[in-house]
Amino acid sequence: EVQLVQSGAEVKKPGESLKISCKGSGYSLTSYWIGWVRQMPGKGLEWMGIIYPGDSDTKYSPSFQGQVTISVDKSINTAYLQWSSLRASDTAMYYCARHAALYCSATNCFDRGGMDVWGQGTTVTVSS
Amino acid sequence: SYELTQPLSVSVALGQTARITCGGNNIGGKSVHWYQQKPGQAPVLVIYRDSNRPSGIPQRFSGSNSGNTATLTISRAQAGDEADYYCQVWDSSTVFGGGTKLTVL
Repeated sequence: EVQLVQSGAEVKKPGESLKISCKGSGYSLTSYWIGWVRQMPGKGLEWMGIIYPGDSDTKYSPSFQGQVTISVDKSINTAYLQWSSLRASDTAMYYCARHAALYCSATNCFDRGGMDVWGQGTTVTVSS
Repeated sequence: SYELTQPLSVSVALGQTARITCGGNNIGGKSVHWYQQKPGQAPVLVIYRDSNRPSGIPQRFSGSNSGNTATLTISRAQAGDEADYYCQVWDSSTVFGGGTKLTVL
């Protein structure tokens, strides 16, 4: 079964660092782009960025560039999302998801398949 | 940046047809994907590339895309279809619509 399993809920204080994970199984992680999506309480989906585990090529949403770091350890089929200094406004649910058919050149990407496999989500709460 | 506009809410009577729209500039020239999200659950892909259904998605779900509007159609609506629905395209980055809450009356 193809699945993405995310790390558990986190409760942190402002200014702390955090790294959450997304482990793929049932398929080769290196063959598909993995994206991260934020959902703040009661709000919609926001795309944060993507990484291609095959070569660690990474693209960020302008809204999240410099605010988070997306990385991967393909030896253990795991992608990561990390913060160096959390803020209360980072409180949200974070999902990883596999892009089924995203093809990227040096200048553009073409998304033919959407995000077909999603992790169960990781709740991050930042509060003093 | 590219924007996708969805109605905040759509209501449909049980067994009738619901249509959820997603507006964007020349969206007909892009591949549109649709997600269903039930409370407390991760999103689920229900339509990809305008009108294709992933395996396991009922035939009651269909999609179309032309001009400035893409549409998700849910035929013979069931209580279990109550959820938030999001459209999504790629335009220099992944863009989501704001989401539509579907209520089945």
